[in-house]
Amino acid sequence: AQSVSQHNHHVILSEAASLELGCNYSYGGTVNLFWYVQYPGQHLQLLLKYFSGDPLVKGIKGFEAEFIKSKFSFNLRKPSVQWSDTAEYFCAAEAGGTSYGKLTFGQGTILTVHP
Amino acid sequence: DAGVTQSPTHLIKTRGQHVTLRCSPISGHKSVSWYQQVLGQGPQFIFQYYEKEERGRGNFPDRFSARQFPNYSSELNVNALLLGDSALYLCASSSPGARGAMAFFGQGTRLTVV
Repeated sequence: AQSVSQHNHHVILSEAASLELGCNYSYGGTVNLFWYVQYPGQHLQLLLKYFSGDPLVKGIKGFEAEFIKSKFSFNLRKPSVQWSDTAEYFCAAEAGGTSYGKLTFGQGTILTVHP
Repeated sequence: DAGVTQSPTHLIKTRGQHVTLRCSPISGHKSVSWYQQVLGQGPQFIFQYYEKEERGRGNFPDRFSARQFPNYSSELNVNALLLGDSALYLCASSSPGARGAMAFFGQGTRLTVV
């Protein structure tokens, strides 16, 4: 069965610290990968996506993620977090190729950044 | 441009009742998906519709049903509500592409079953 797992439920950092959130997926065949963010009281927003090509993808607000096929991983990184990055982060996957947007989500990681 | 809009935003129902949730996709998007997000978990896929046809169904009981209208808006219906149906119901719209689709989410409908 297709699945996505996120390693950390809650991460607490101070401003300017570096961030890495783990995500592993289990999918047969090609896969599209996404990171979504949900700020308090707001809807899910797309941070970045990987469909194919360069495994290092850059998203909004200084976030990036690296697709490592051999490890079935798609970890999210940011060199220096800000207080405004406090939110819940979700990794998601779908079958690659022509797709209609059926996503499998991980459990989510709550990030708290202290000023 | 308007994003994905869902109505109502909040709803309280009694066990055994029926509920209808509504979603209007982004203009030009022909695909709508529904997700259930229980507190503390990631969204779980319920249904997907494209061009008014069901393209996918998650592991949910038959009490859950949906449909898509000619204007691509969609309804999610849940019959015989259970306490465990209390959740945030999310609608996402996307424009399918050959390489993949990006799903855009609405604010959700918070359903509380008492």
